[in-house]
Amino acid sequence: GENVEQHPSTLSVQEGDSAVIKCTYSDSASNYFPWYKQELGKRPQLIIDIRSNVGEKKDQRIAVTLNKTAKHFSLHITETQPEDSAVYFCAAIEGNNYGQNFVFGPGTRLSVLP
Amino acid sequence: DTEVTQTPKHLVMGMTNKKSLKCEQHMGHRAMYWYKQKAKKPPELMFVYSYEKLSINESVPSRFSPECPNSSLLNLHLHALQPEDSALYLCASSQLASDNEQFFGPGTRLTVL
Repeated sequence: GENVEQHPSTLSVQEGDSAVIKCTYSDSASNYFPWYKQELGKRPQLIIDIRSNVGEKKDQRIAVTLNKTAKHFSLHITETQPEDSAVYFCAAIEGNNYGQNFVFGPGTRLSVLP
Repeated sequence: DTEVTQTPKHLVMGMTNKKSLKCEQHMGHRAMYWYKQKAKKPPELMFVYSYEKLSINESVPSRFSPECPNSSLLNLHLHALQPEDSALYLCASSQLASDNEQFFGPGTRLTVL
C-alpha cells in the first residue's frame, strides 16, 4: 500500500518569509496529491492539490510542485502571515472506482512568528 | 450546498453505552468516508462507502459499525467502546473518481469514559 512521509514535523518562520514542506510517496500509481490545512479544533481544509499530469500549480501565495520520477511533492508558501499558522497534511491517493483511499503524511506544524 | 455536516459535535459515553454519529452531505457525492483522528496525528481512514455500499474497511474493530442508509447520509454506530477510542471522528465525501477533493465535516469529538 501507499506510504507517505512528510518533513519537517515542525517549522517556524518569521512573518513574510517563505515556508517549504516536503512529502514523499511510495506508490507510483498514485495520481492525486492534495494538501490540507487544519487549524486547532477545526476540520481539514483543502488549500491546493495537484494531479499527476502536472508538474507545478500555483494559487496566489501557495504553490505545489510534483516530481513523479522521484516520487516527491512540495508545498511552498510565500509571504507567510500569522494566519498561516496551522498543521499541514499532505496526502497521496490510492484511487479506484470504489472510492479513494487517502493516505496522509504525519503533518507539519507551521508557526509564523509576527 | 457545499458542506458536510456532522452531529453531534461532542459526545461523552461510557464503555457500555450505544451511540451513533451522523453525517450528511447534499453535494451529490457517491463516496463517503469515516476517519479517526487522534491528537497531533493525521486522519486515519476507517471505512469507505461508494454507491451506498461498503467498499473499504481498514480492519476496524466490530465495536464500530458503519451504515449508509442513502446517498446523503452516513452513520457510525458505536458499542462497547474503549477509552483509547476517544478521538475526533471525521466524515468526508467526494466524487468517485480518484483525483477529486475530499470534503471534510467538522467532526465529532468523542470521549469514552
